Amino acid sequence: DTGVSQNPRHKITKRGQNVTFRCDPISEHNRLYWYRQTLGQGPEFLTYFQNEAQLEKSRLLSDRFSAERPKGSFSTLEIQRTEQGDSAMYLCASSLGFRDRGRSEKLLFGSGTQLSVL
Amino acid sequence: GDSVTQMEGPVTLSEEAFLTINCTYTATGYPSLFWYVQYPGEGLQLLLKATKADDKGSNKGFEATYRKETTSFHLEKGSVQVSDSAVYFCALSRNTDKLIFGTGTRLQVFP
Repeated sequence: DTGVSQNPRHKITKRGQNVTFRCDPISEHNRLYWYRQTLGQGPEFLTYFQNEAQLEKSRLLSDRFSAERPKGSFSTLEIQRTEQGDSAMYLCASSLGFRDRGRSEKLLFGSGTQLSVL
Repeated sequence: GDSVTQMEGPVTLSEEAFLTINCTYTATGYPSLFWYVQYPGEGLQLLLKATKADDKGSNKGFEATYRKETTSFHLEKGSVQVSDSAVYFCALSRNTDKLIFGTGTRLQVFP
C-alpha cells in the first residue's frame, strides 16, 4: 500500500492557463475527497466522490473547476482559466466507506499538489 | 455554520516542555472532533479523535478531551520532542468524512 498519491507535487502556471491534477487513492477505497489549503489556513472541502459519483460540491468550487472520477479509481481536478487566487495546495484524501455509515474509519490524505499561478 | 478556532502560532518550546494547543468549536449537536498533524513535506495525518462528549483521544503521548460544556478539544502533551515539530490542525465533522478545519498551529521544538 503506497498511500494516496498526487501528481504533480508542484505546478507553476501563468494566469489564464488550464491545469489538471491527478489523485490516485488507496486501491480499495471507494470514497475520494478534494480539499484546498491556502497559506496560513486549514484545508477547505471542495468535493466528494463515492465510487464514480460526485455526491457533493462546495460553493468554493466555481464553474472554472471540474473534478472527475470516471472509473471510480483515480480522480482528476481541472482548473480552467487559472487566477492568482487559485494558488494553493490541493489535497486529495480517500477512505473506505459503507452506505449505511456516514463516516469511514480511516481517511488518508495525500501530500498534495502545490499550485502557483503567476 | 460550523467552525473551528485554534490558537495562533507559532508555539515555540524547548524539548521536554509541556504543550497545550487550544481548540474551540462552534456547532450544534455533537460533532466528532479530530486533531491532524502535518509534518514538513508530508500529507495530513490523523493524530487522534473523539466522537462524543467526555471522550479522550490519545496517541503518541498526545491527548485531547472532548468538552461539550466549553466546546473545546485542547491538545496536550506532557513532554515534547524535536520530532513533534509540525503544524497541528483541529477539525470537526458531522458523521461524514467532510472535515471543517481550524487554521492550524505551528509547533517548533528546540533542543
